[in-house]
Amino acid sequence: QSVLTQPPSASGTPGQRVTISCSGSSSNIGSNTVNWYQQLPGTAPKLLIYNNNQRPSGVPDRFSGSKSGTSASLAISGLQSEDEADYYCSAWDDSLAVFGGGTKVTVL
Amino acid sequence: QVQLVQSGAEVKKPGASLKVSCTASGYTFTSYYLLWVRQAPGQGLEWMGMINPTGGSTSYAQKFQGRVTMTRDTSTSTVYMELSSLRSEDTAVYYCARTQGHYYGMDVWGQGTTVTVSS
Repeated sequence: QSVLTQPPSASGTPGQRVTISCSGSSSNIGSNTVNWYQQLPGTAPKLLIYNNNQRPSGVPDRFSGSKSGTSASLAISGLQSEDEADYYCSAWDDSLAVFGGGTKVTVL
Repeated sequence: QVQLVQSGAEVKKPGASLKVSCTASGYTFTSYYLLWVRQAPGQGLEWMGMINPTGGSTSYAQKFQGRVTMTRDTSTSTVYMELSSLRSEDTAVYYCARTQGHYYGMDVWGQGTTVTVSS
């Protein structure tokens, strides 16, 4: 059982907006920033969002993150076929890192 | 370019020990923490612990305390993760990743090392 809670799946048609939630507690999301990772099948995770809403260089601005209290969310606007992947939220909890269980995004 | 290159796949018997390496290149080794994350087949990501390459201090997830040891060799910019008393549940892909700290996320990942524990 993961420390952070994500829905197991989400889906949308090309061009739609998809939102993934991530719920935690005061000791992790409530006190620290949230990062999001994208994992394509058979590959290592890739940093998508850091510090709640910052995009690393090269990440399309279709991806955005937000945080409020002990929850965070990742939004994908203008969904594309190449966005079909697993998405994980992560935060620090004291001196250790915790992850959500992952959300599989399907492009219909 | 910045990269983390891990050692190759391993097959181990239950009770054995495992040592995976992760060699950094393209950046100043001591400027980033190195972390280990594993992923069991069909499962999510699990943080195992981290090492500060500057002084070698470590922090481990409670689940692995007593079974995991992370070390570094600054002369070769390599970190190692040793896991002892292997059991079938340790079958997973093991990743190393780097981070500058709590605000920055894990921005570079190794390619992963597949570990199979089977009798």
